Amino acid sequence: SQQGEEDPQALSIQEGENATMNCSYKTSINNLQWYRQNSGRGLVHLILIRSNEREKHSGRLRVTLDTSKKSSSLLITASRAADTASYFCATSPMDSSYKLIFGSGTRLLVRP
Amino acid sequence: DAGVIQSPRHEVTEMGQEVTLRCKPISGHDYLFWYRQTMMRGLELLIYFNNNVPIDDSGMPEDRFSAKMPNASFSTLKIQPSEPRDSAVYFCASSLGQGFGYTFGSGTRLTVV
Repeated sequence: SQQGEEDPQALSIQEGENATMNCSYKTSINNLQWYRQNSGRGLVHLILIRSNEREKHSGRLRVTLDTSKKSSSLLITASRAADTASYFCATSPMDSSYKLIFGSGTRLLVRP
Repeated sequence: DAGVIQSPRHEVTEMGQEVTLRCKPISGHDYLFWYRQTMMRGLELLIYFNNNVPIDDSGMPEDRFSAKMPNASFSTLKIQPSEPRDSAVYFCASSLGQGFGYTFGSGTRLTVV
């Protein structure tokens, strides 16, 4: 069963613009992670944010977490064509032993 | 480190045949996960191991699926007999543990005809 749901399902932007993807989940979590998947490839870990953190940065990535709303957002600033990929949020539920449950993903297209 | 290594990359088999997928995790990672990805169901966790011991196999769809981890450097996922609805990309991932991200392999694309 999927815990996280991303919004939007697909996003198309121009190179240089910012891209924002949202994730909602259902149960209390230990942490929330974001992954990128290029077509035909495995997933790549981008960033992890713990349940007691509200914001985290890594390069051009900014992640926020609102545990009261059970939601997170991923912002990619100054997007590049190479950022074209699917982006997934994944949650580590607090009531489960260590595992990640992935959302349905957002397909990002960055047009040159 | 070469990362998580999966084999084969592609597998095409006939319905009813046995299929074995293989995974070598990153050395030192205590957790190993098997996921299945399809367009319809997305990424589903099938089973995971901690220190070679299966911890949660609630995602294994049927008795036709089995997974083993005989040692810290090798795991297999077996489907016997295979069916067309098993067609998917199967990913193996490993991790240091709680609070760390996963490292995924490149996946095995399985087609059952």
